Amino acid sequence: QKEVEQDPGPLSVPEGAIVSLNCTYSNSAFQYFMWYRQYSRKGPELLMYTYSSGNKEDGRFTAQVDKSSKYISLFIRDSQPSDSATYLCAPKGTGANSKLTFGKGITLSVRP
Amino acid sequence: NAGVTQTPKFQVLKTGQSMTLQCAQDMNHEYMSWYRQDPGMGLRLIHYSVGAGITDQGEVPNGYNVSRSTTEDFPLRLLSAAPSQTSVYFCASSSGTGSPQFFGPGTRLTVL
Repeated sequence: QKEVEQDPGPLSVPEGAIVSLNCTYSNSAFQYFMWYRQYSRKGPELLMYTYSSGNKEDGRFTAQVDKSSKYISLFIRDSQPSDSATYLCAPKGTGANSKLTFGKGITLSVRP
Repeated sequence: NAGVTQTPKFQVLKTGQSMTLQCAQDMNHEYMSWYRQDPGMGLRLIHYSVGAGITDQGEVPNGYNVSRSTTEDFPLRLLSAAPSQTSVYFCASSSGTGSPQFFGPGTRLTVL
């Protein structure tokens, strides 16, 4: 089993839809959970950063972590064409040499 | 703050040639890392450094060398380029174990 599994894409939704992007992970040592957004031919950009379980909201974006089921979600409300990008989940442990482990990413297209 | 910068943006090499990909950050981050991104493979860690003078291997280190003589710079060297090293390379930095990584814009490398 891969350490991080991300829903395969691509995903296409109409403008204004609520989008749910999901990842599962296997390593119970992961404590930090990040979502990155990557536009075509650009570097990954940090979108959300959470520690341990719970929800974090930032504008139209909500990150949710359920450590008991090892499940990570990113919700996008009122999706916009500018949200069209690839989204990568990336959990991480707490050790000094702990490294980000990336999901393969899911490409989202928001249709006007 | 320029953040994480990478040069060059694009490079074409012939098999067997050597080159250095440059990475610099102006955020005084201790932790720096190099990733490669290939279609269907996601982001894979090549080498990382937890501070000046300290480097270690990631998931796919073969064919690459790194050094870290200053906090700001973390160059990646390809000693003898191979077509399998055709990829997009990203440098990232963070301030510590629990901090998120910030990525550069990437170098698109083609080896013929």
